[in-house]
Amino acid sequence: EAGVTQFPSHSVIEKGQTVTLRCDPISGHDNLYWYRRVMGKEIKFLLHFVKESKQDESGMPNNRFLAERTGGTYSTLKVQPAELEDSGVYFCASSQPGTALEGYTFGSGTRLTVV
Amino acid sequence: AQTVTQSQPEMSVQEAETVTLSCTYDTSESDYYLFWYKQPPSRQMILVIRQEAYKQQNATENRFSVNFQKAAKSFSLKISDSQLGDAAMYFCAYKTSGTYKYIFGTGTRLKVLA
Repeated sequence: EAGVTQFPSHSVIEKGQTVTLRCDPISGHDNLYWYRRVMGKEIKFLLHFVKESKQDESGMPNNRFLAERTGGTYSTLKVQPAELEDSGVYFCASSQPGTALEGYTFGSGTRLTVV
Repeated sequence: AQTVTQSQPEMSVQEAETVTLSCTYDTSESDYYLFWYKQPPSRQMILVIRQEAYKQQNATENRFSVNFQKAAKSFSLKISDSQLGDAAMYFCAYKTSGTYKYIFGTGTRLKVLA
C-alpha cells in the first residue's frame, strides 16, 4: 500500500508569505496528525484529525496556522503569514483506530525554511 | 506533564559493533507505551521497536533491543551488529495508554563508520 505522502518536500519562502503543506494519509486511515520539529528540538504535536473533524488542535502555535482535512482524505496546513520561527520540519502521520501499539505511519516531512 | 529526554545529540559506532542510545522519560501515569522511531536522511520515520509499560520483559526486534527500567524511567535502545543502513536520527517517544499524542525526545543522530 502507498505510505503517507507529503509535499512539497522542501519549501523556502520569505517572511510574510503564505505556504501550504499537504499530506495524503494512507487510504482508510481515519486518524491524521501533524507534528513539527524545530531545528535541534523535540518533535511536537500540532493537531489531530479524526476523519474531517479536528479532534485536538492544542498544539497549534497560533492563529497563523490553519489546518484542514477535506472530506476526511488529504489534509493541508497553511501558514499565513509565515514568520522566521516557523522554520522546521513538518511531519504528517496517519493511523487506524485501535492501533495505538502499532504506532503511526509517518511521512517524510516537509522542510520549511522562512528567510 | 510528560517529558522525554535524549541526552546524546550524536553517536558514532563502527560497523558490526554495538551501540546504545539513551532515553529517559517522566510521567505520573502507570499505563503507557514507549517507542523508538528511526528517520533515515530525507526519508520517512519508521517504527523500530515498542514496549508496553506493564510488560517487564524487554522488547526485541532482530538486532534491536531495549533496556526498559520502569522504576528508573529509562528506555535505552541497543543496536547490535551495526550496519551502514542504521545511520539515521533516532527518536524516543512516549504515549499514555488511551491517548493518541506522542511525546518525543530531541533525537540522537547515529553515524555508522565503515
